[in-house]
Amino acid sequence: GAGVSQSPSNKVTEKGKDVELRCDPISGHTALYWYRQSLGQGLEFLIYFQGNSAPDKSGLPSDRFSAERTGGSVSTLTIQRTQQEDSAVYLCASSFGAFGKQFFGPGTRLTVL
Amino acid sequence: GQQVMQIPQYQHVQEGEDFTTYCNSSTTLSNIQWYKQRPGGHPVFLIQLVKSGEVKKQKRLTFQFGEAKKNSSLHITATQTTDVGTYFCAVGVGNYGGSQGNLIFGKGTKLSVKP
Repeated sequence: GAGVSQSPSNKVTEKGKDVELRCDPISGHTALYWYRQSLGQGLEFLIYFQGNSAPDKSGLPSDRFSAERTGGSVSTLTIQRTQQEDSAVYLCASSFGAFGKQFFGPGTRLTVL
Repeated sequence: GQQVMQIPQYQHVQEGEDFTTYCNSSTTLSNIQWYKQRPGGHPVFLIQLVKSGEVKKQKRLTFQFGEAKKNSSLHITATQTTDVGTYFCAVGVGNYGGSQGNLIFGKGTKLSVKP
């Protein structure tokens, strides 16, 4: 079966514009996670979904960041009024249940000019 | 919130030398996972440890979970150039065995191997 996919793979945008990043998890995986990774840095947790609900939104950096998941499958991460400090690779992962091993997608590299 | 310290941040070794990275927590952990991220790639799951004192091996890699479940280590014997990458530990947050939980990742140890 297919792994986790993310789109777009690269996104260049201008400061102040909104962007939407998409994640397609592995079919049947109930948990979905978003992380942010700046160049050469570790993984910064953003949000996680169990089904369509988000028990933990504590990692979202500001109210410009939001995420949703529909049908227990696809998730979108939206960043409004992008800033240069939002530039990073945004990684999505899914797992079968809480604490399961996470399968990561290839990431979306976001560059804000 | 839950935090985990991972050391060292960087490690440079000569091919054939051993390598160890450590993950430490001030609180008792329910479980710990290890991931490897190759340069330019995404993290890939290596292993999960759950039991106190657990030791698991994968070829040249040995993973240990401390008796008090507050620390863990990953040891690579006789490193090869294919071992290059960043190794992350990740600890469970929440009620392990329950329906909701998350992982918090350490900052990683970046391993470089000189041929």
